[in-house]
Amino acid sequence: DTGVSQDPRHKITKRGQNVTFRCDPISEHNRLYWYRQTLGQGPEFLTYFQNEAQLEKSRLLSDRFSAERPKGSFSTLEIQRTEQGDSAMYLCASSLELDSDQPQHFGDGTRLSIL
Amino acid sequence: AQSVAQPEDQVNVAEGNPLTVKCTYSVSGNPYLFWYVQYPNRGLQFLLKYITGDNLVKGSYGFEAEFNKSQTSFHLKKPSALVSDSALYFCAVRDKSTGKLIFGQGTTLQVKP
Repeated sequence: DTGVSQDPRHKITKRGQNVTFRCDPISEHNRLYWYRQTLGQGPEFLTYFQNEAQLEKSRLLSDRFSAERPKGSFSTLEIQRTEQGDSAMYLCASSLELDSDQPQHFGDGTRLSIL
Repeated sequence: AQSVAQPEDQVNVAEGNPLTVKCTYSVSGNPYLFWYVQYPNRGLQFLLKYITGDNLVKGSYGFEAEFNKSQTSFHLKKPSALVSDSALYFCAVRDKSTGKLIFGQGTTLQVKP
């Protein structure tokens, strides 16, 4: 069990650029969640996958955001035309089936800074 | 709508003293409750959970939490605080249909030597 891995750990970019983050979940976990955390706040849910199917998207996820999990393994989160308000920590978490009482395991996040 | 509240932004305690970090929740039905800890520039680490069973739940690093249905609370406790416990603590409730976590705003715990 190598844990949830996120890449990159930090991303600095200019406003208007596109960015993509990657999350590698724990290998046997079929559920994958993305959250966004701004300074001084708790994480907020963005979207989640069961295997390769994206099952729910928060209204926080504007049309500039897209997430994929093409083979039910790793996931990517892309932000197009970044804005200042996108600056945040983006956290990925994975877990077993819903009927399992096991917790979600989090990666160390990608911190995005928009100049 | 489900929600979690952590009424204290910061809790200060002396090393060796007991600590309590408060959490109240609002859900329909029986809640699935979690505590996580976050160190600077790191993700969230799971501490403990309440799904069903005993109201007193024991978790990692000597932490425990007490589920109180009548007061809709799930306070985190530790009998003797360590300086290394200083971190940001989050209480969360799990949505039963999606599994997504709904977090409180977090409480910074400061343990002073």
